Amino acid sequence: ETGVTQTPRHLVMGMTNKKSLKCEQHLGHNAMYWYKQSAKKPLELMFVYNFKEQTENNSVPSRFSPECPNSSHLFLHLHTLQPEDSALYLCASSPDEGTGSNEQYFGPGTRLTVT
Amino acid sequence: GQNIDQPTEMTATEGAIVQINCTYQTSGFNGLFWYQQHAGEAPTFLSYNVLDGLEEKGRFSSFLSRSKGYSYLLLKELQMKDSASYLCALFDSNYQLIWGAGTKLIIKP
Repeated sequence: ETGVTQTPRHLVMGMTNKKSLKCEQHLGHNAMYWYKQSAKKPLELMFVYNFKEQTENNSVPSRFSPECPNSSHLFLHLHTLQPEDSALYLCASSPDEGTGSNEQYFGPGTRLTVT
Repeated sequence: GQNIDQPTEMTATEGAIVQINCTYQTSGFNGLFWYQQHAGEAPTFLSYNVLDGLEEKGRFSSFLSRSKGYSYLLLKELQMKDSASYLCALFDSNYQLIWGAGTKLIIKP
């Protein structure tokens, strides 16, 4: 248990569906991250929130829409996804964004399959 | 540009020692991390190096040479539970984490 939870753990959705991924951290951290992990590829940073403000959007398609209502919760809203979006989506948190030995704590991920 | 290279897969024997290398090119450097990720699970933090040299933590040690753009993770007295992927990541000049693709380590009895 890392103190970061994600739901659902597995999700299968069609290309016309709308779904949301949820992340919650119980560590009192101020920064939260969404990553995409595809097989044999480096982790791809998608979005960063620091103190509830989005500080990074790594050229992510608009079919992915993040929401951070407070420092403990992070959502990723999905709509009209493509099969190539199938991947493991990881949420992480850290005390603050960047600086020093700011290790990130990861959730278990949501395995997303787009059919 | 920025680039991190690590071997895709390595195999080692239970009880032995294995060294996983990571080389990088980056315009700025603010520290290097190693994470462990078991299949189907979250990556978990192993080590952080910001200065040159060896950091030891039990059976795991991590080494950094900034001048050579090189790090390694050394695992001693290998156990079956060490079978996992090992991810190298570095903080660039903007404190953005840049990740390697990971090294899958297979431990055989």
